[in-house]
Amino acid sequence: GAVVSQHPSWVICKSGTSVKIECRSLDFQATTMFWYRQFPKQSLMLMATSNEGSKATYEQGVEKDKFLINHASLTLSTLTVTSAHPEDSSFYICSAMLALTDTQYFGPGTRLTVL
Amino acid sequence: GQQLNQSPQSMFIQEGEDVSMNCTSSSIFNTWLWYKQDPGEGPVLLIALYKAGELTSNGRLTAQFGITRKDSFLNISASIPSDVGIYFCAGQLRAGNNRKLIWGLGTSLAVNP
Repeated sequence: GAVVSQHPSWVICKSGTSVKIECRSLDFQATTMFWYRQFPKQSLMLMATSNEGSKATYEQGVEKDKFLINHASLTLSTLTVTSAHPEDSSFYICSAMLALTDTQYFGPGTRLTVL
Repeated sequence: GQQLNQSPQSMFIQEGEDVSMNCTSSSIFNTWLWYKQDPGEGPVLLIALYKAGELTSNGRLTAQFGITRKDSFLNISASIPSDVGIYFCAGQLRAGNNRKLIWGLGTSLAVNP
């Protein structure tokens, strides 16, 4: 139980284009999902907290107009990287919180490469 | 941002040996979590601890929530090659609607067959 999927698993795009990443909780409902970014050999850096039906809460230093988050249902949150640039290249990971235990379960991650 | 003190940073051991790693914090937490991350994958939850003093096992893994709520350890017994990966501790403080995790920097484990 508590399975989280992400799509796509990897994406390569040209500079200036937008990329959408989907995060789904497959066997439970999640009112809260989280989006992280991870650089090589580092731990996860929280970008934003996504709450179903309301605006996301962004961490300090994360541009909300660049990283658009939508959590329209209890099983789906999306992260759109707008006007991507090479410095946005990274490993993006989502998690969904199982409300019963307040425990986060993570997706497999999405590798974004911006050329 | 805030981070937990996780040690050791890396370990290189022989197959069959036991492994121990720990995390400490200056802050107290309501929940301690241990995750394992393989290269190119997301973290996988190993053990979740919800109560101070709690000792929980998951197969060859054992973890404890420190009585002061400021520390936790993870033990792996009789290591095998598939134990290779990076192990992260994370603390969670439930305050209002805040459920953010505070992370350790990870322990990289290598197992020599």
